[in-house]
Amino acid sequence: SQTIHQWPATLVQPVGSPLSLECTVEGTSNPNLYWYRQAAGRGLQLLFYSVGIGQISSEVPQNLSASRPQDRQFILSSKKLLLSDSGFYLCAWSAHSGRETQYFGPGTRLLVL
Amino acid sequence: RKEVEQDPGPFNVPEGATVAFNCTYSNSASQSFFWYRQDCRKEPKLLMSVYSSGNEDGRFTAQLNRASQYISLLIRDSKLSDSATYLCVVNGGGGSYIPTFGRGTSLIVHP
Repeated sequence: SQTIHQWPATLVQPVGSPLSLECTVEGTSNPNLYWYRQAAGRGLQLLFYSVGIGQISSEVPQNLSASRPQDRQFILSSKKLLLSDSGFYLCAWSAHSGRETQYFGPGTRLLVL
Repeated sequence: RKEVEQDPGPFNVPEGATVAFNCTYSNSASQSFFWYRQDCRKEPKLLMSVYSSGNEDGRFTAQLNRASQYISLLIRDSKLSDSATYLCVVNGGGGSYIPTFGRGTSLIVHP
């Protein structure tokens, strides 16, 4: 069966510090991968998606970046965090057909102070 | 008009009640539809897919109306454990890999 991992579960970082969140998927190959952010009391905002190694599409302009160095690994990064980067970051995967169900990781709760 | 719209609620219902949520979508080419459940401070989890003919899973029934471009979720005999936010998701249309999430409807089931 497929599983998706995210770490860390929670993170408190000072403004201006770098960020690296990792997501890995097991039990499937060539998945579509997604990064979302959910601010407190708000809906899901798609940040990035990837249909293959090295292929990243950005949905919103921001100071975050994403990379996919391996088929089942998706990394979200920032060189300098802003207060507004605080939120609940969720990684998700779906089968490559694009119309399939998305499955979410447990998320990383980030607080930027 | 937003791509996927939901009434944010909250819907406050007693145990045992029947409650229904609707969700409207704007892209008539959309091809797949889902309901997710999100508990407080947790990730969204798939509740059920929504098929054209309608489908039922225990106390939960999902319907799709393509002509009017909405999907619905009916919960019968509500339990305290049904308290959560219910997200409507619409996918596909033009080969898109990007699902569109509604902002969710909050349900509170009280004793």
